[in-house]
Amino acid sequence: NAGVTQTPKFRVLKTGQSMTLLCAQDMNHEYMYWYRQDPGMGLRLIHYSVGEGTTAKGEVPDGYNVSRLKKQNFLLGLESAAPSQTSVYFCASSYRFHGYTFGSGTRLTVV
Amino acid sequence: KQEVTQIPAALSVPEGENLVLNCSFTDSAIYNLQWFRQDPGKGLTSLLLIQSSQREQTSGRLNASLDKSSGRSTLYIAASQPGDSATYLCAVGGSQGNLIFGKGTKLSVKP
Repeated sequence: NAGVTQTPKFRVLKTGQSMTLLCAQDMNHEYMYWYRQDPGMGLRLIHYSVGEGTTAKGEVPDGYNVSRLKKQNFLLGLESAAPSQTSVYFCASSYRFHGYTFGSGTRLTVV
Repeated sequence: KQEVTQIPAALSVPEGENLVLNCSFTDSAIYNLQWFRQDPGKGLTSLLLIQSSQREQTSGRLNASLDKSSGRSTLYIAASQPGDSATYLCAVGGSQGNLIFGKGTKLSVKP
């Protein structure tokens, strides 16, 4: 009954460091998404996946990479963090047009 | 490019009032429209999902309508309560299941 779990919940990075955000879902959803939420900008889609082994770019993909090696997991990587990537990151999963479920978010600060 | 606009950006009402939140979108070729609630520092909770073939959905004191031809949706909240205070987000669904979000309406219900 966990739904969508994101780890970590908080992280502070120095400019140039790398990290991976993990998203795990237990609802057997085919579709998974990574969004970022910034003040005054709303939520914007970074990358998404329509099934195991597939990934696609969203609205703001630059500086991020993703992988979906297992159906239940969707990883978001930052290879060289920049202050502009300071944001709250949300993972979500769904069936194609229903069942959307969001995680509780990861608050990332890049200094 | 699909754009979603929510008006007003903020709203303050006394407890017990009925209220309407507005959402408009520029491209009527949507697969669904969804209303979410977001409490401060938290993730998103789905309130109502309207598929493209539907005109409205109801859940308790909430009613959402969809007019695809005019690119509009409204969320009606009856008999508002202080516990309804939150940010309400409107999102339209694209062909890959991805959601395009508005920037939200921040609602404050005063006791």
